[in-house]
Amino acid sequence: AQSVTQLGSHVSVSEGALVLLRCNYSSSVPPYLFWYVQYPNQGLQLLLKYTTGATLVKGINGFEAEFKKSETSFHLTKPSAHMSDAAEYFCAVSGTASKLTFGTGTRLQVTL
Amino acid sequence: NAGVTQTPKFQVLKTGQSMTLQCAQDMNHNSMYWYRQDPGMGLRLIYYSASEGTTDKGEVPNGYNVSRLNKREFSLRLESAAPSQTSVYFCASSEPGLKGYGYTFGSGTRLTVV
Repeated sequence: AQSVTQLGSHVSVSEGALVLLRCNYSSSVPPYLFWYVQYPNQGLQLLLKYTTGATLVKGINGFEAEFKKSETSFHLTKPSAHMSDAAEYFCAVSGTASKLTFGTGTRLQVTL
Repeated sequence: NAGVTQTPKFQVLKTGQSMTLQCAQDMNHNSMYWYRQDPGMGLRLIYYSASEGTTDKGEVPNGYNVSRLNKREFSLRLESAAPSQTSVYFCASSEPGLKGYGYTFGSGTRLTVV
């Protein structure tokens, strides 16, 4: 079985500041990990994913995430926030099958 | 590049009415899923179909039925709508042979039950 915990349902940053969205997972098998982004009134779009190999993965729009097995974490970061990054972000984990388990989401607000 | 197509995009139902949400994918994926999204609760799996001809319950199946019509299409039916089923519904598809592939999502159906 697997689960995902996203710490902080709302995060607010200033434009140009560091974005850090936290995700911790639980999985009984080596996990595949994903971040999805949802813009208002749209579906979910894949931002980045970790499968195997390099633990630092880069995604679209300047986002990246690092898989840390010892901490069971997969936090999402971006060095400099832009107004267009305002959205809801979901972390997800895949275990023995392709079925994904999602976290409850973090809404990112970017202020001037 | 259609991906996953959901219809309708918006729907208002009266309590007790029935309706079917349609979903079709053109990526030749074997697995398809129906989720509902509610504020503060993330995405919750209603039903899924691992392959054509099979369906299984997810986390919140009560009040819903599904049909995997063929490899492309996976419909969700509300037999007697209730206000608690007011939500945004998302269909997704994936290829189980590619665990690291993730899901491709449709753009959602916003359902209001009054």
